[in-house]
Parts: sequence; C-alpha cells; structure tokens
Amino acid sequence: GAGVSQTPSNKVTEKGKYVELRCDPISGHTALYWYRQSLGQGPEFLIYFQGTGAADDSGLPNDRFFAVRPEGSVSTLKIQRTERGDSAVYLCASSLTAGVISEDTQYFGPGTRLTVL
Amino acid sequence: DQQVKQNSPSLSVQEGRISILNCDYTNSMFDYFLWYKKYPAEGPTFLISISSIKDKNEDGRFTVFLNKSAKHLSLHIVPSQPGDSAVYFCAARDTDKLIFGTGTRLQVFP
Repeated sequence: GAGVSQTPSNKVTEKGKYVELRCDPISGHTALYWYRQSLGQGPEFLIYFQGTGAADDSGLPNDRFFAVRPEGSVSTLKIQRTERGDSAVYLCASSLTAGVISEDTQYFGPGTRLTVL
Repeated sequence: DQQVKQNSPSLSVQEGRISILNCDYTNSMFDYFLWYKKYPAEGPTFLISISSIKDKNEDGRFTVFLNKSAKHLSLHIVPSQPGDSAVYFCAARDTDKLIFGTGTRLQVFP
C-alpha cells in the first residue's frame, strides 16, 4: 500500500511569508507526527495527533507554528512570518496507534525541504 | 543536552565485514528503541527495534543489542553490503514521541 506522502517536496519562500506543508498518512493510521530535521541533526519532535486532536504539541518552537488535522487523516503544518532559522526538512510520520501501550512503528514520509531566504 | 547520542559521525567498513553502530542514552525511563536508515532526499526508513525488557533482537543481517545498565545500544550488520551505505539514526521512545540521535553515516566499500 501507499506510504506517507508529503507535499510539496521543496518549498522556497521569503522571510516573513506564510507557508503550509501537507502530510497524507498511511490509510488507517490514527496517529500522526511532525518532526523537523536541521542539517547535521536528527529529527526533532514538533507535534503529535491522535485522531483529530493534538495530543502533544510540546515540540512546537513558538506560536508561529501551528498544525491541524481536521478530519483525522491529512494534516497541515502552518508556519507564519517565516524566519531563516525555520529552514529545515519537515518530516511527517504516522503509526497505527500510539502511546506507551503500543509498540507501533512510526513510518516516515520523504519530507518537505523548506528554505527561507 | 542530548538524551540520545551517536558519538561516531561516520563509519567505513569493507563489504562482507561486520558494521557496528553505537548509541548511548541518558534517560532510564525510555521503554523502546529503534534504528532508522536514511538515504539522501528520502525520509527515515524503519529498520529494527527493541523493547527495554529485552537485550537482543535479530532480523536477518541486522541485530540490535541493548545494555540497560550501561544505557547503550548497538546495531550490528553482518555481512555488510554496499546497499547498506546510508545514515543510521538511533531513536528512543519517550511516551508519544521519538528522540533521535544525530546519526552515523555508514559507508560500505567493495
């Protein structure tokens, strides 16, 4: 079956602009995660959805970052007033379920490379 | 401070030999550990995992060892193949999220 897909694959924007990044999880997966990977680093957790609700948004760096998952499937990560430091690869992952009682694996999409000029 | 550390940024191994990738962690509450492999311009691909109640898990050429007292895990690949050349990330599960190390770039040469 299809894996996690993310669009666009690349996004170049100017400082101060607004961007939206989209994630389509694996069909039937209830948990969805966003991570950010900067050059030379491992992925860093941003936010996690269980169904439609954000169960943990502790990784969002500030209030310029926001994510939604209105119907419990596709998710959009929104960044307002972008800054050069936001440049990174934004990764989305999904898993069948989530939480400490589950050993479900997180499967990652190919990422969106965001460049803020 | 990094809770998951991969202290070797790169490793070069000859084809057919064993590759050993290491990972250290600081939080004894982590209950599950995973290894992901990443090729350029692709997302991380799940490789193998281990629960904190076990000390070894094997899947084909890949074996992960966990030493809880030392807070250390390692990934063994044997025999190594050129297609194994990639960046390998160690990750620990912290309730609902994964905490990743900085990765080790493995190069397998003929």
